[in-house]
Amino acid sequence: DAGVIQSPRHEVTEMGQEVTLRCKPISGHNSLFWYRQTMMRGLELLIYFNNNVPIDDSGMPEDRFSAKMPNASFSTLKIQPSEPRDSAVYFCASQKGPGETQYFGPGTRLLVL
Amino acid sequence: DAKTTQPPSMDCAEGRAANLPCNHSTISGNEYVYWYRQIHSQGPQYIIHGLKNNETNEMASLIITEDRKSSTLILPHATLRDTAVYYCIASNDYKLSFGAGTTVTVRA
Repeated sequence: DAGVIQSPRHEVTEMGQEVTLRCKPISGHNSLFWYRQTMMRGLELLIYFNNNVPIDDSGMPEDRFSAKMPNASFSTLKIQPSEPRDSAVYFCASQKGPGETQYFGPGTRLLVL
Repeated sequence: DAKTTQPPSMDCAEGRAANLPCNHSTISGNEYVYWYRQIHSQGPQYIIHGLKNNETNEMASLIITEDRKSSTLILPHATLRDTAVYYCIASNDYKLSFGAGTTVTVRA
């Protein structure tokens, strides 16, 4: 099993540009999570999908952030327009079912200049 | 989710057991104790979890006190590759609240 796959692994962009982060969960996993990690705030949950449906997006910082899961094998996290304070490592995680282990991807390191 | 408290850092010697404490005095009856670790620049990695009973797997052992107000993660034979930030989390649903964790440094 390849594990959770994220792309790109690194992204450098300029303020105001649109950024799209991608995630492929582990096959057969029904839940998907997007997290953000910064030095100041630590690791925080942004959004949780179950069976491709957003269940909890209370952690999404503001309207500039949006996430989609068009099918069971793909999700995107989009930031438009990006700002320097969005610089962080963004992790995607997937889970087979409620109460099961969450498996994290390698993360995308985003730097907004 | 119940708040957990961990020491900010600890050192241990390679080959020795590492005992990582966690306090969760407000844990509710249906909240599990989860342990994850994050090796530098990588995504968090699941280690072990438990509800009431002590648990053991190929990575570690989890000892939960009878009143469930605290627990200890034991790495039986620490190696240099165990150097990481270790997170103790109390949760009864999908939400994992990662605090600051304990930075464990294994020294040769």
